[in-house]
Amino acid sequence: DGGITQSPKYLFRKEGQNVTLSCEQNLNHDAMYWYRQDPGQGLRLIYYSQIVNDFQKGDIAEGYSVSREKKESFPLTVTSAQKNPTAFYLCASSISSGDSYEQYFGPGTRLTVT
Amino acid sequence: GENVEQHPSTLSVQEGDSAVIKCTYSDSASNYFPWYKQELGKRPQLIIDIRSNVGEKKDQRIAVTLNKTAKHFSLHITETQPEDSAVYFCAASDNTDKLIFGTGTRLQVFP
Repeated sequence: DGGITQSPKYLFRKEGQNVTLSCEQNLNHDAMYWYRQDPGQGLRLIYYSQIVNDFQKGDIAEGYSVSREKKESFPLTVTSAQKNPTAFYLCASSISSGDSYEQYFGPGTRLTVT
Repeated sequence: GENVEQHPSTLSVQEGDSAVIKCTYSDSASNYFPWYKQELGKRPQLIIDIRSNVGEKKDQRIAVTLNKTAKHFSLHITETQPEDSAVYFCAASDNTDKLIFGTGTRLQVFP
């Protein structure tokens, strides 16, 4: 299960505050992803990045922002504009090759906003 | 864009029985179909995948079948065991890094 880490495991914030979730990988993977997981809704893509200094919006990017300054790191900021931020957030990475698209997931961060 | 539907949302089986989870996709350009297993409190992990040039793939007790014409693919688990209890997600990709996931199936295997 090693190679991709997320911190913290649990995070509590007050409404109106921005919060940044950390995601780091030492797998030398090119691509990284952020998903939101809600009960009964599967994994929904927030943002993804295929190379350093480049990223694309996923299906539910509103209220979130990301950066990809280093290959190993892909932090996600949940802004106060996100209307329902309480959720389980999963980061993933993949090797971005024509032969394999397997995504490796981090352990997740459970964010609670009150 | 791609849309993946997954059924059923919950599935209960007796230990030793078979379990089948079905997914349909909308984009005919999709050509990679993985299945992930997420045990309670753990991260999703790839258990099997199939590409569009193959109709079936097996790995011990699990198998995946693909019908490109009908745009559906299925996960088959035989001789189920209690440790198979988890949430299973199907996904589809159009030869890019982006995966579109189904909504998940919670499988419960009763001893």
